[in-house]
Amino acid sequence: AQRVTQPEKLLSVFKGAPVELKCNYSYSGSPELFWYVQYSRQRLQLLLRHISRESIKGFTADLNKGETSFHLKKPFAQEEDSAMYYCALSGRVNTSGTYKYIFGTGTRLKVLA
Amino acid sequence: DSGVTQTPKHLITATGQRVTLRCSPRSGDLSVYWYQQSLDQGLQFLIQYYNGEERAKGNILERFSAQQFPDLHSELNLSSLELGDSALYFCASSVTGQSEAFFGQGTRLTVV
Repeated sequence: AQRVTQPEKLLSVFKGAPVELKCNYSYSGSPELFWYVQYSRQRLQLLLRHISRESIKGFTADLNKGETSFHLKKPFAQEEDSAMYYCALSGRVNTSGTYKYIFGTGTRLKVLA
Repeated sequence: DSGVTQTPKHLITATGQRVTLRCSPRSGDLSVYWYQQSLDQGLQFLIQYYNGEERAKGNILERFSAQQFPDLHSELNLSSLELGDSALYFCASSVTGQSEAFFGQGTRLTVV
């Protein structure tokens, strides 16, 4: 079954502390993985995708196929990082070639002053 | 601005009523997705269309239906509304399904 698991509903850290938001996935094949961020019930925005291997707003994420994980990390959290973070997987629906996004349940990050 | 437009932004209606939510995807995007986000819940995938055809269905109730029109805009119809249907409904679009999905601002539906 195709599934994305974010085990933490809420993660609170102090400003300047390291952050790691966990994401594990289940998918048979080569997945496309994404992190989306949602500030204060606004629209979701793409933060990272694994194939670009870039750092956005200080965040990075590495795809670990052995552990089927795609954890999001930032060495020093800032107050403006407080938001809802969703891990997502793009997976093939069926043999028709259609893909759909599967989202995790999200992790709310609170960065405390 | 993601280029995905949803109308209306807010909707308040009574139980038992029917509403239609509209989504205009980004220019050139053929795939449209609908999601429901309830308070303290994650994104629940409802349905996906690709170039006018239904391609995938998620946890969509029988009281809900959707379609994608030839101009690629999509509508989500919610009928016999219940209090529990109150949520933020998001539409997203993408070129294929492997590329980045762009989200609209959402429609906040309140059923009273």
